[in-house]
Amino acid sequence: QVQLQQSGAELAKPGSSVKISCKASGYTFTSYYISWIKQTTGQGLEYIGYINTGSGGTNYNEKFKGKATLTVDKSSSTAFMQLSSLTPDDSAVYYCAVATGDYWGQGVMVTVSS
Amino acid sequence: DIQMTQSPSSLPASLGDRVTITCRASQDIGNYLRWFQQKPGKSPRLMIYGATNLAAGVPSRFSGSRSGSDYSLTINSLESEDMAIYYCLQHNEYPYTFGAGTKLELK
Repeated sequence: QVQLQQSGAELAKPGSSVKISCKASGYTFTSYYISWIKQTTGQGLEYIGYINTGSGGTNYNEKFKGKATLTVDKSSSTAFMQLSSLTPDDSAVYYCAVATGDYWGQGVMVTVSS
Repeated sequence: DIQMTQSPSSLPASLGDRVTITCRASQDIGNYLRWFQQKPGKSPRLMIYGATNLAAGVPSRFSGSRSGSDYSLTINSLESEDMAIYYCLQHNEYPYTFGAGTKLELK
């Protein structure tokens, strides 16, 4: 069965970076792109962007350009999202998903606090 | 960006009820509309794709429809396991955008 296993919760200081992983199993990794989504209580769900798992090509929501960097390691069927220059507004749960939400990871809670 | 106006934000209902949630798109999105269900502490789950198609494993009491720029999710004969927050998503144009969510709760 399709599974996306995300890395654990992160507690980070303002100005720092975090890198979240999303390991896929149960399907051919390069057949579907991986999307990333942010969820906060105040803003709901926001689409960050996606990465083409075959070519590594990316498409970002303008709002997250410069904030999120999406990469992929085909050898381990893992997608990554790095969040940089963290502020408290980046505190959220971050999900990876197959294509346009066909399957979702369990989410990673990122807390930015000094 | 395309705005997805979802209503109502909260929907009290009784078991056995028929309920409808609606998303209105600010621009044409064709049938590039999905519905997700999210239960507390869980990840969203795909329920409907292509505006009207039931995702795998979704009970047949769920259905999706479209009328112009209005997209609806209907649940017939509500069950306790259906209590959740429902979101729509347009994926016709970047950036993809979600509705604000509808919390379905027991009356």
